[in-house]
Amino acid sequence: QKEVEQDPGPLSVPEGAIVSLNCTYSNSAFQYFMWYRQYSRKGPELLMYTYSSGNKEDGRFTAQVDKSSKYISLFIRDSQPSDSATYLCAIRGGGTSYGKLTFGQGTILTVHP
Amino acid sequence: NAGVTQTPKFQVLKTGQSMTLQCAQDMNHEYMSWYRQDPGMGLRLIHYSVGAGITDQGEVPNGYNVSRSTTEDFPLRLLSAAPSQTSVYFCASSYGGSHYNSPLHFGNGTRLTVT
Repeated sequence: QKEVEQDPGPLSVPEGAIVSLNCTYSNSAFQYFMWYRQYSRKGPELLMYTYSSGNKEDGRFTAQVDKSSKYISLFIRDSQPSDSATYLCAIRGGGTSYGKLTFGQGTILTVHP
Repeated sequence: NAGVTQTPKFQVLKTGQSMTLQCAQDMNHEYMSWYRQDPGMGLRLIHYSVGAGITDQGEVPNGYNVSRSTTEDFPLRLLSAAPSQTSVYFCASSYGGSHYNSPLHFGNGTRLTVT
């Protein structure tokens, strides 16, 4: 079993839809939870970061963490064609393991006008 | 501010050839790492470094060597290329130590094909 499992998609939604992206993880030692967005032919870039259970909002994006269920989600409201990208969840432990991220497989999202 | 720069962008190798993928960052980041990205596999950590002179293995280190002689540079060497090493390689860097919430900054990747 992989340490991080991500719904592979792909997802195709109309503009304006609410998008839900999900990951589960197996190691309860994981403490920090991130979502990266990757456009075609580019490197991933950090979208959201959180280290506690609950919700964190940033504009149209909401990251949700449920440590008891080992489940993380990213919600995109009012999705736009510019949101079309691959979304990767990334998780790491604490202490000196900074930077050693474990990534999900990625979900390809297409938002069509 | 260039960020993380990877060269070359594309490379084709024959089985058994060796080469070095270059990575440089200008953000004075202590931590640097190499990932490979394959379809359906996400990003997998190859090697990482927490500072000049210190390197360690990640999840998939076999067939690769690294060194870190300066803070800025972290080259990845393929010793004897194999078709299984066909992939997109990403270099990433971040602040380390107490900067536990420092995000990883990625380069734009090197697309390697081994025939």
